[in-house]
Amino acid sequence: GQQVMQIPQYQHVQEGEDFTTYCNSSTTLSNIQWYKQRPGGHPVFLIQLVKSGEVKKQKRLTFQFGEAKKNSSLHITATQTTDVGTYFCAPRRDSNYQLIWGAGTKLIIKP
Amino acid sequence: DAGVIQSPRHEVTEMGQEVTLRCKPISGHNSLFWYRQTMMRGLELLIYFNNNVPIDDSGMPEDRFSAKMPNASFSTLKIQPSEPRDSAVYFCASSDALTGAQPQHFGDGTRLSIL
Repeated sequence: GQQVMQIPQYQHVQEGEDFTTYCNSSTTLSNIQWYKQRPGGHPVFLIQLVKSGEVKKQKRLTFQFGEAKKNSSLHITATQTTDVGTYFCAPRRDSNYQLIWGAGTKLIIKP
Repeated sequence: DAGVIQSPRHEVTEMGQEVTLRCKPISGHNSLFWYRQTMMRGLELLIYFNNNVPIDDSGMPEDRFSAKMPNASFSTLKIQPSEPRDSAVYFCASSDALTGAQPQHFGDGTRLSIL
């Protein structure tokens, strides 16, 4: 079935370093949503990408949708402790239009 | 505005007992989703409703699981009988679109432990 791969599974960074997570699909995606889940919390919607090559920014966060609409990325510039959590990409499944949830990328700030 | 409200926040019960999880979606949202999250399996969609009607329950793991949505402001997920492998965090989410074209808003979840 339709699947999404998110890499890396974990990323340890020093505070102030950049962070990037990638979401890859073997099939063309109609849209993709990104969510953040803090430790012990619930997923919180960040953004939705729809157009080929789309780039959206939210302060230090930059979201991109690939030209072929098969991949997406989230880049955080100069990480802060408030960025800690797991970031999920969630593209829409073609068969039933529901979100496909990957394993997420866990951002860990080194002490 | 009130978000999605789930109760209880935590539930610890013994194997074999009936468990009922509750959810109040955001007012005006027409779609409701029940998810389960574990370390091993990640976030799994169990069932979803549109306008109070169950659309797809293929994610429900077994007949021990059932869900209802008697009206637009209330849904339940019931496990009977419960088993230790049901231990997980159960999230309810609501949206104003069924088709993954709008954000899903999650509740705080119910952390369920079956002993």
